Amino acid sequence: SQQGEEDPQALSIQEGENATMNCSYKTSINNLQWYRQNSGRGLVHLILIRSNEREKHSGRLRVTLDTSKKSSSLLITASRAADTASYFCAPAYSGGGADGLTFGKGTHLIIQP
Amino acid sequence: EPEVTQTPSHQVTQMGQEVILRCVPISNHLYFYWYRQILGQKVEFLVSFYNNEISEKSEIFDDQFSVERPDGSNFTLKIRSTKLEDSAMYFCAGEQGPKRAQYFGPGTRLLVL
Repeated sequence: SQQGEEDPQALSIQEGENATMNCSYKTSINNLQWYRQNSGRGLVHLILIRSNEREKHSGRLRVTLDTSKKSSSLLITASRAADTASYFCAPAYSGGGADGLTFGKGTHLIIQP
Repeated sequence: EPEVTQTPSHQVTQMGQEVILRCVPISNHLYFYWYRQILGQKVEFLVSFYNNEISEKSEIFDDQFSVERPDGSNFTLKIRSTKLEDSAMYFCAGEQGPKRAQYFGPGTRLLVL
Protein backbone atom coordinates (compact mmCIF):
# COMPACT_ATOMS: atom_id res chain seq x y z
CA SER A 1 0.00 0.00 0.00
CA GLN A 2 1.16 3.54 -0.59
CA GLN A 3 1.58 6.23 1.99
CA GLY A 4 -0.11 9.57 2.20
CA GLU A 5 2.06 12.65 2.04
CA GLU A 6 1.40 15.30 4.66
CA ASP A 7 1.98 18.98 4.13
CA PRO A 8 3.40 21.10 5.66
CA GLN A 9 6.11 19.08 7.38
CA ALA A 10 6.09 21.52 10.29
CA LEU A 11 3.60 24.07 11.54
CA SER A 12 3.90 26.45 14.47
CA ILE A 13 0.94 28.55 15.57
CA GLN A 14 -0.30 30.43 18.61
CA GLU A 15 -2.68 28.82 21.05
CA GLY A 16 -6.24 29.57 20.04
CA GLU A 17 -5.50 29.74 16.34
CA ASN A 18 -6.67 27.16 13.83
CA ALA A 19 -4.27 24.63 12.33
CA THR A 20 -4.73 23.15 8.89
CA MET A 21 -2.72 20.30 7.47
CA ASN A 22 -3.08 18.53 4.17
CA CYS A 23 -2.65 15.05 2.81
CA SER A 24 -2.27 13.76 -0.72
CA TYR A 25 -2.42 10.15 -1.84
CA LYS A 26 -2.04 8.18 -5.04
CA THR A 27 -4.73 5.59 -5.76
CA SER A 28 -8.36 4.78 -5.00
CA ILE A 29 -9.18 4.52 -1.34
CA ASN A 30 -11.76 2.83 0.83
CA ASN A 31 -11.27 5.46 3.50
CA LEU A 32 -8.67 7.84 4.86
CA GLN A 33 -7.69 8.03 8.50
CA TRP A 34 -5.90 10.66 10.54
CA TYR A 35 -3.72 9.79 13.51
CA ARG A 36 -1.82 11.78 16.11
CA GLN A 37 1.44 10.82 17.75
CA ASN A 38 2.84 12.54 20.77
CA SER A 39 6.60 12.29 21.03
CA GLY A 40 7.70 8.73 21.76
CA ARG A 41 4.16 7.46 22.18
CA GLY A 42 1.76 5.27 20.22
CA LEU A 43 -0.46 6.59 17.49
CA VAL A 44 -3.94 7.70 18.42
CA HIS A 45 -6.74 7.38 15.90
CA LEU A 46 -8.49 10.72 15.40
CA ILE A 47 -10.99 10.37 12.62
CA LEU A 48 -11.89 8.18 9.64
CA ILE A 49 -13.56 9.53 6.52
CA ARG A 50 -14.98 7.16 3.93
CA SER A 51 -14.47 7.61 0.21
CA ASN A 52 -18.13 8.58 -0.28
CA GLU A 53 -17.97 11.30 2.38
CA ARG A 54 -16.77 14.84 1.75
CA GLU A 55 -16.57 16.25 5.25
CA LYS A 56 -16.61 14.94 8.78
CA HIS A 57 -16.46 16.55 12.21
CA SER A 58 -15.33 15.29 15.58
CA GLY A 59 -15.14 17.85 18.36
CA ARG A 60 -12.60 20.49 17.30
CA LEU A 61 -11.52 18.42 14.29
CA ARG A 62 -12.84 18.84 10.79
CA VAL A 63 -11.70 16.59 7.98
CA THR A 64 -12.43 17.04 4.31
CA LEU A 65 -11.87 14.62 1.48
CA ASP A 66 -11.66 15.35 -2.23
CA THR A 67 -11.34 12.07 -4.07
CA SER A 68 -11.07 13.80 -7.46
CA LYS A 69 -7.90 15.53 -6.26
CA LYS A 70 -6.84 12.62 -4.06
CA SER A 71 -6.43 14.94 -1.12
CA SER A 72 -7.65 15.46 2.41
CA SER A 73 -7.29 18.17 4.99
CA LEU A 74 -7.42 18.17 8.77
CA LEU A 75 -8.47 21.34 10.55
CA ILE A 76 -7.99 21.74 14.28
CA THR A 77 -9.92 24.70 15.58
CA ALA A 78 -9.11 26.73 18.68
CA SER A 79 -5.79 24.96 19.17
CA ARG A 80 -4.44 24.11 22.62
CA ALA A 81 -0.96 23.39 23.88
CA ALA A 82 -1.98 19.73 24.23
CA ASP A 83 -2.49 19.55 20.46
CA THR A 84 1.28 19.73 20.00
CA ALA A 85 2.08 16.45 18.26
CA SER A 86 2.78 14.89 14.88
CA TYR A 87 -0.21 14.24 12.67
CA PHE A 88 -0.38 11.54 10.02
CA CYS A 89 -2.84 10.63 7.34
CA ALA A 90 -3.22 6.97 6.40
CA PRO A 91 -5.11 6.08 3.24
CA ALA A 92 -6.79 2.69 3.44
CA TYR A 93 -6.80 1.40 -0.10
CA SER A 94 -9.57 -0.49 -1.80
CA GLY A 95 -9.45 -4.25 -1.75
CA GLY A 96 -10.02 -6.79 0.93
CA GLY A 97 -7.85 -8.06 3.70
CA ALA A 98 -6.00 -6.72 6.66
CA ASP A 99 -3.82 -4.12 5.04
CA GLY A 100 -1.21 -2.46 7.15
CA LEU A 101 -1.35 1.29 7.16
CA THR A 102 1.51 3.17 5.56
CA PHE A 103 2.51 6.39 7.25
CA GLY A 104 4.42 9.33 5.87
CA LYS A 105 6.64 11.75 7.72
CA GLY A 106 3.65 13.61 9.13
CA THR A 107 3.03 17.22 10.03
CA HIS A 108 4.76 18.25 13.21
CA LEU A 109 2.46 20.76 14.89
CA ILE A 110 3.69 23.05 17.64
CA ILE A 111 1.23 25.16 19.58
CA GLN A 112 2.90 28.16 21.17
CA PRO A 113 1.36 29.23 24.49
CA GLU B 1 -12.39 2.61 27.79
CA PRO B 2 -10.48 -0.54 26.76
CA GLU B 3 -6.88 -0.07 25.70
CA VAL B 4 -4.19 -2.02 23.95
CA THR B 5 -1.38 -2.92 26.33
CA GLN B 6 2.20 -3.89 25.54
CA THR B 7 4.93 -5.43 27.63
CA PRO B 8 7.65 -4.76 28.37
CA SER B 9 7.73 -1.00 27.94
CA HIS B 10 11.50 -1.13 27.49
CA GLN B 11 13.85 -3.97 26.66
CA VAL B 12 17.61 -4.00 26.30
CA THR B 13 19.18 -7.04 24.72
CA GLN B 14 22.47 -8.21 23.29
CA MET B 15 22.88 -8.67 19.56
CA GLY B 16 22.02 -12.21 18.56
CA GLN B 17 19.59 -12.79 21.41
CA GLU B 18 15.95 -13.65 20.96
CA VAL B 19 13.29 -11.25 22.15
CA ILE B 20 9.55 -11.63 22.50
CA LEU B 21 7.37 -8.56 22.56
CA ARG B 22 3.89 -8.99 23.94
CA CYS B 23 0.62 -7.24 23.25
CA VAL B 24 -2.87 -7.65 24.63
CA PRO B 25 -5.30 -6.24 22.07
CA ILE B 26 -8.80 -5.00 22.80
CA SER B 27 -11.00 -8.04 23.29
CA ASN B 28 -13.43 -7.55 20.41
CA HIS B 29 -10.74 -6.84 17.84
CA LEU B 30 -10.14 -9.40 15.13
CA TYR B 31 -7.29 -7.97 13.06
CA PHE B 32 -3.88 -7.38 14.57
CA TYR B 33 -0.78 -5.58 13.45
CA TRP B 34 2.82 -4.90 14.36
CA TYR B 35 4.59 -1.72 13.35
CA ARG B 36 7.98 -0.35 14.20
CA GLN B 37 9.47 3.13 14.38
CA ILE B 38 13.21 3.64 14.32
CA LEU B 39 14.14 6.77 16.24
CA GLY B 40 13.40 9.86 14.18
CA GLN B 41 11.89 7.90 11.30
CA LYS B 42 8.45 6.95 10.02
CA VAL B 43 6.18 4.35 11.52
CA GLU B 44 6.61 1.24 9.35
CA PHE B 45 4.21 -1.65 8.91
CA LEU B 46 5.62 -5.08 9.69
CA VAL B 47 2.82 -7.64 9.61
CA SER B 48 -0.92 -8.14 9.88
CA PHE B 49 -2.62 -11.15 11.44
CA TYR B 50 -6.17 -12.43 11.11
CA ASN B 51 -7.84 -15.72 11.91
CA ASN B 52 -4.63 -17.09 13.39
CA GLU B 53 -2.50 -16.54 10.35
CA ILE B 54 -0.44 -13.84 8.72
CA SER B 55 -2.52 -11.79 6.33
CA GLU B 56 0.12 -9.46 4.95
CA LYS B 57 3.76 -8.73 5.68
CA SER B 58 6.26 -6.12 4.61
CA GLU B 59 9.79 -6.58 3.32
CA ILE B 60 11.06 -5.83 6.82
CA PHE B 61 9.33 -8.90 8.20
CA ASP B 62 11.92 -11.49 7.20
CA ASP B 63 12.64 -14.96 8.56
CA GLN B 64 13.98 -13.51 11.80
CA PHE B 65 10.50 -12.36 12.73
CA SER B 66 7.48 -14.40 13.72
CA VAL B 67 4.09 -13.67 15.22
CA GLU B 68 1.55 -15.75 17.05
CA ARG B 69 -1.57 -15.49 19.13
CA PRO B 70 -1.15 -18.59 21.29
CA ASP B 71 -4.01 -18.23 23.73
CA GLY B 72 -6.56 -16.00 22.02
CA SER B 73 -5.46 -13.10 24.17
CA ASN B 74 -1.79 -12.28 23.82
CA PHE B 75 -0.36 -11.34 20.44
CA THR B 76 3.40 -11.71 20.27
CA LEU B 77 6.22 -10.65 18.02
CA LYS B 78 9.39 -12.70 18.21
CA ILE B 79 12.73 -11.64 16.83
CA ARG B 80 14.96 -14.73 16.76
CA SER B 81 18.41 -13.23 16.52
CA THR B 82 18.40 -9.51 17.10
CA LYS B 83 20.57 -7.12 15.12
CA LEU B 84 21.65 -3.62 16.00
CA GLU B 85 19.28 -2.25 13.36
CA ASP B 86 16.31 -3.87 15.13
CA SER B 87 16.57 -1.14 17.76
CA ALA B 88 13.28 0.70 17.49
CA MET B 89 9.92 1.31 19.08
CA TYR B 90 7.54 -1.54 18.31
CA PHE B 91 3.81 -0.88 18.28
CA CYS B 92 1.01 -3.37 18.21
CA ALA B 93 -2.41 -2.38 16.90
CA GLY B 94 -5.81 -3.96 16.48
CA GLU B 95 -9.06 -3.28 14.73
CA GLN B 96 -12.58 -4.71 14.73
CA GLY B 97 -12.67 -5.21 11.01
CA PRO B 98 -10.64 -4.48 7.89
CA LYS B 99 -10.34 -0.87 6.75
CA ARG B 100 -11.44 0.45 10.13
CA ALA B 101 -9.71 2.52 12.78
CA GLN B 102 -6.64 0.89 14.26
CA TYR B 103 -5.99 1.20 17.98
CA PHE B 104 -2.35 1.28 18.93
CA GLY B 105 -0.59 0.24 22.08
CA PRO B 106 1.95 2.48 23.84
CA GLY B 107 4.88 0.58 22.33
CA THR B 108 7.93 -1.36 23.45
CA ARG B 109 11.23 0.39 23.12
CA LEU B 110 13.82 -2.19 22.07
CA LEU B 111 17.52 -1.45 22.29
CA VAL B 112 19.95 -3.95 20.82
CA LEU B 113 23.55 -3.58 21.98
